[in-house]
Amino acid sequence: DAGVIQSPRHEVTEMGQEVTLRCKPISGHDYLFWYRQTMMRGLELLIYFNNNVPIDDSGMPEDRFSAKMPNASFSTLKIQPSEPRDSAVYFCASSWGLAGGDTQYFGPGTRLTVL
Amino acid sequence: AQTVTQSQPEMSVQEAETVTLSCTYDTSENNYYLFWYKQPPSRQMILVIRQEAYKQQNATENRFSVNFQKAAKSFSLKISDSQLGDTAMYFCAMNYGGATNKLIFGTGTLLAVQP
Repeated sequence: DAGVIQSPRHEVTEMGQEVTLRCKPISGHDYLFWYRQTMMRGLELLIYFNNNVPIDDSGMPEDRFSAKMPNASFSTLKIQPSEPRDSAVYFCASSWGLAGGDTQYFGPGTRLTVL
Repeated sequence: AQTVTQSQPEMSVQEAETVTLSCTYDTSENNYYLFWYKQPPSRQMILVIRQEAYKQQNATENRFSVNFQKAAKSFSLKISDSQLGDTAMYFCAMNYGGATNKLIFGTGTLLAVQP
């Protein structure tokens, strides 16, 4: 399996622009997670999906952030409008099922820079 | 509230020697899982080792082993025969347990293996 795939790997944009990050989970995984990593706050869970349905979005910082999962093999995280404080590395991860110990497999991340 | 604490921001070890990274956590759950993830300069988050809280036996994966002390809520990672490729940021993580697979991460320990 190719693992979790994220695109783009790097994104540089200007404040106010819309940014869309993409993720393809491992085939057969029922859960998909979006994380944000910054120096100040470390790794934070933003939202996660189960069978394409958002389960917990309590980590989404504000209304400028939205996430969708239209099918089992694709998810997007959108920021509109983007701000410099959104600069971070965004990770997507996926796992098999409901059990608490199911390992999450991470993608390579997208480094977002908002100027 | 559930928390994960890594009190060593940075550590250094000579190649071929052994090093132990500390992690403590706090939870009121009885059923939970603990993880160590490695993040090398490539930024990819890689699972190193996983421990089920209900198992008394410490998990081992080749040169990596844990010392799980449930009563003390301690979960340290021992790396034996350190190699240059072990240089990375190491994150301790705990899942919330029960019917959820959300992870909470510590702040990380930057390990440098010196030649």
